[in-house]
Amino acid sequence: EAGVAQSPRYKIIEKRQSVAFWCNPISGHATLYWYQQILGQGPKLLIQFQNNGVVDDSQLPKDRFSAERLKGVDSTLKIQPAKLEDSAVYLCASRLITGELFFGEGSRLTVL
Amino acid sequence: RKEVEQDPGPFNVPEGATVAFNCTYSNSASQSFFWYRQDCRKEPKLLMSVYSSGNEDGRFTAQLNRASQYISLLIRDSKLSDSATYLCVPPGLWSQAGTALIFGKGTTLSVSS
Repeated sequence: EAGVAQSPRYKIIEKRQSVAFWCNPISGHATLYWYQQILGQGPKLLIQFQNNGVVDDSQLPKDRFSAERLKGVDSTLKIQPAKLEDSAVYLCASRLITGELFFGEGSRLTVL
Repeated sequence: RKEVEQDPGPFNVPEGATVAFNCTYSNSASQSFFWYRQDCRKEPKLLMSVYSSGNEDGRFTAQLNRASQYISLLIRDSKLSDSATYLCVPPGLWSQAGTALIFGKGTTLSVSS
């Protein structure tokens, strides 16, 4: 079974530029999450989708971050404009009905 | 108190040792919890799922202490390959409706020969 696909794997941008990350979850997984993981910390939830609806985006910095999952399958996370503190790994995960999360390999962002 | 607290370590142990990590939590509402393993520069991967008070899988044992609000992970006969960061996902912060899983910051284990 194919896992969670993410792209790009690495991205380097300058502050105030924009960036977009893409995620394709495991087939049939209705729940999709975006997490931000800063070096040395655990993953921090940014947004959770159930099909194409947002369940929880309370920790998403909405002034600069946006995410969508228009057809209930793949999802895009955008940052505009980026700040230095946005340097992190952005992890996409999809969830089994029993609760387990399966992560993609992540997109590593460096903001200079 | 913070929702999830983990001792970041590092725990440095020799091969063959037994090591245990705890993870304290608040706001409990369910009994299911998870432990994830994360290797350096890799994504977290599910290590154990627990839907009751505990689970054992080979050298790994996970337990829930509801009264004291902590979960634990015990690793027996440590191997070099066990070196990684272990992330806890305590109970109470997810449901069938899909509430988000909240991760601890992780405990780093280093097993040496």
